[in-house]
Amino acid sequence: AQKVTQAQTEISVVEKEDVTLDCVYETRDTTYYLFWYKQPPSGELVFLIRRNSFDEQNEISGRYSWNFQKSTSSFNFTITASQVVDSAVYFCALSERGGFKTIFGAGTRLFVKA
Amino acid sequence: DAGVTQSPTHLIKTRGQQVTLRCSPKSGHDTVSWYQQALGQGPQFIFQYYEEEERQRGNFPDRFSGHQFPNYSSELNVNALLLGDSALYLCASSLGPQGGDTQYFGPGTRLTVL
Repeated sequence: AQKVTQAQTEISVVEKEDVTLDCVYETRDTTYYLFWYKQPPSGELVFLIRRNSFDEQNEISGRYSWNFQKSTSSFNFTITASQVVDSAVYFCALSERGGFKTIFGAGTRLFVKA
Repeated sequence: DAGVTQSPTHLIKTRGQQVTLRCSPKSGHDTVSWYQQALGQGPQFIFQYYEEEERQRGNFPDRFSGHQFPNYSSELNVNALLLGDSALYLCASSLGPQGGDTQYFGPGTRLTVL
């Protein structure tokens, strides 16, 4: 069965701090896809990254970086030098090659204080 | 390039009524998925439409039904509304129905059932 766990319900940091959002997943499929989405107060889910199970290379995009480790079934997301505009709920999600649906974690609410 | 659009933005209904929500996919996308997001939770998959057919359904009762039109737009219908149906309903579109296809979300419809 598919499952995504985001153990951190809320995180509060001060601007310019680095912050890591944890994501642990479960799947029986050998081919699967992991995603991160951002949901600002407006409510719209914004796509951040997609990673397939065969690509464990870490990725950096500006202040964002992702660490994918199949050995621990984790796909963690780090924001470097956080800014107030980073305040949002962040969701980790999983889909399997043979399926059509995407399973979301419960989300981590990030507060960045000025 | 138009993104995913949804209408209406907000809706208030009473128990027992029926509601129809609408979604237009991102330009070039042919697949639409619907999600329900209760307050403080992650999105839950309702169903997906591709080639005007329902491809997969999540754990939602038959009160939830949908349709996809030849222009790829979609409707979500909910009959016999319950208080527990109050949520943000998100539509997502993708280029293809497979699990690895990245989904792009609309702004959502906030449904309140009184």
